[in-house]
Amino acid sequence: KNQVEQSPQSLIILEGKNCTLQCNYTVSPFSNLRWYKQDTGRGPVSLTIMTFSENTKSNGRYTATLDADTKQSSLHITASQLSDSASYICVVPRIHFGNEKLTFGTGTRLTIIP
Amino acid sequence: DAGVIQSPRHEVTEMGQEVTLRCKPISGHDYLFWYRQTMMRGLELLIYFNNNVPIDDSGMPEDRFSAKMPNASFSTLKIQPSEPRDSAVYFCASRTGYGYTFGSGTRLTVV
Repeated sequence: KNQVEQSPQSLIILEGKNCTLQCNYTVSPFSNLRWYKQDTGRGPVSLTIMTFSENTKSNGRYTATLDADTKQSSLHITASQLSDSASYICVVPRIHFGNEKLTFGTGTRLTIIP
Repeated sequence: DAGVIQSPRHEVTEMGQEVTLRCKPISGHDYLFWYRQTMMRGLELLIYFNNNVPIDDSGMPEDRFSAKMPNASFSTLKIQPSEPRDSAVYFCASRTGYGYTFGSGTRLTVV
C-alpha cells in the first residue's frame, strides 16, 4: 500500500534550537519527495522537491535529506525561529494511469517557543 | 500573480443546505485539484481536472459531492445536501509541470 508516515506527530522546541523531522514512505515507483510547510489557516507551501538522485537539498535554514534505498527522508531546521511554527508535511507523488497523484503524510506539528 | 484564490474563506451552514466552494487557479496551470483536510485523515484528494476535464473523481466521498470546471479560470465544488461530517478545510490547488500551488482554503462548518 502506498503510504507516507511522519514522526514525531508534534514537537516543541526553544527558539534558536535545531530540530529534525522524519518521513518514511512506501510509495512505489518513486519519482520525487516533497516537503511542505503549512501555517495555521493557510495552504501548504513547498519547501523542497527531491528527486531519486538527490541526497541533500537546502532551502535557507531548511535542509532535506533523502535515502531512496531505505525510503526515508528527513527535514532539518537550523536555528529555529518563531515563524517556523507550522505543520510540516511530507508528500510523495505516485503515478496513477499516467497522471501524478500526491500521497500526503499526516504531518508534524512544530511549535517554537521563545 | 495572486496565486490560487478560493472563496469563501469561511462558511457556516446548516445541515441539509447546499454549499458551493469556488476556486480560481493560476493562469496557465493546466491541472486543478480539490483536497479536503481533517485532523483525523489529513489531506485527501477529492477530484482533479486536466485542461478543464475531470480525470479522477474516485476521492469524492458520495454523490452529494460534485465538482465542475467550466473554463480554465474557474472551478466549483458543491455539496448538496451538506452534513456535519463534511466539516473540514477544503483546498484547491493548481499545477503546471512539477510545481503545485495551494489556495488558502475554505473552512466549512456544517451545524
